[in-house]
Amino acid sequence: EDKVVQSPLSLVVHEGDTVTLNCSYEVTNFRSLLWYKQEKKAPTFLFMLTSSGIEKKSGRLSSILDKKELFSILNITATQTGDSAIYLCAVIQGAQKLVFGQGTRLTINP
Amino acid sequence: DGGITQSPKYLFRKEGQNVTLSCEQNLNHDAMYWYRQDPGQGLRLIYYSQIVNDFQKGDIAEGYSVSREKKESFPLTVTSAQKNPTAFYLCASSPTGYTGELFFGEGSRLTVL
Repeated sequence: EDKVVQSPLSLVVHEGDTVTLNCSYEVTNFRSLLWYKQEKKAPTFLFMLTSSGIEKKSGRLSSILDKKELFSILNITATQTGDSAIYLCAVIQGAQKLVFGQGTRLTINP
Repeated sequence: DGGITQSPKYLFRKEGQNVTLSCEQNLNHDAMYWYRQDPGQGLRLIYYSQIVNDFQKGDIAEGYSVSREKKESFPLTVTSAQKNPTAFYLCASSPTGYTGELFFGEGSRLTVL
């Protein structure tokens, strides 16, 4: 059965801390891995990762994929209260089907 | 502006009633999806469609039905057979063959009383 597992499920840190969110997967016919941020309603796209070892970076956020060990991490440095959200990892497999993880609920306290 | 419109945003229904959630997109995307999200959880795929007049069951299709008569529309019916329908429902679309991001609507929150 295809599955995507995120950890931790919930994380509370102080503003300014650095956090690492994890995503491991076991899917058939892997094509790419996506990270989304969901604050209230619609998830917003962060990164798409297709190749191993190539870091994607956007401001304080960065992500990397390891296709041998079947996982990805999302790093957020110098966290701010606006980073509080649910972070979703999803894997695109085969015929364009996305399999989502459970999400990590990140809370940044001032 | 191009995008995905879901309606209604909030919906209350009594147990045993069927409800239909609307999803319309003007992005000219071939593929459309319905996801369900329960509190504190990720998204689970209900149904998806890659082309007009064709759709496939996702992981939790029981108690739901869809149609895809037009490219821009993919309505979801939550039937009385769905045992626990109270949830947040998200519609999404993408161009077929494109392994990039999904474009999401703002969601519909269904509460069954």
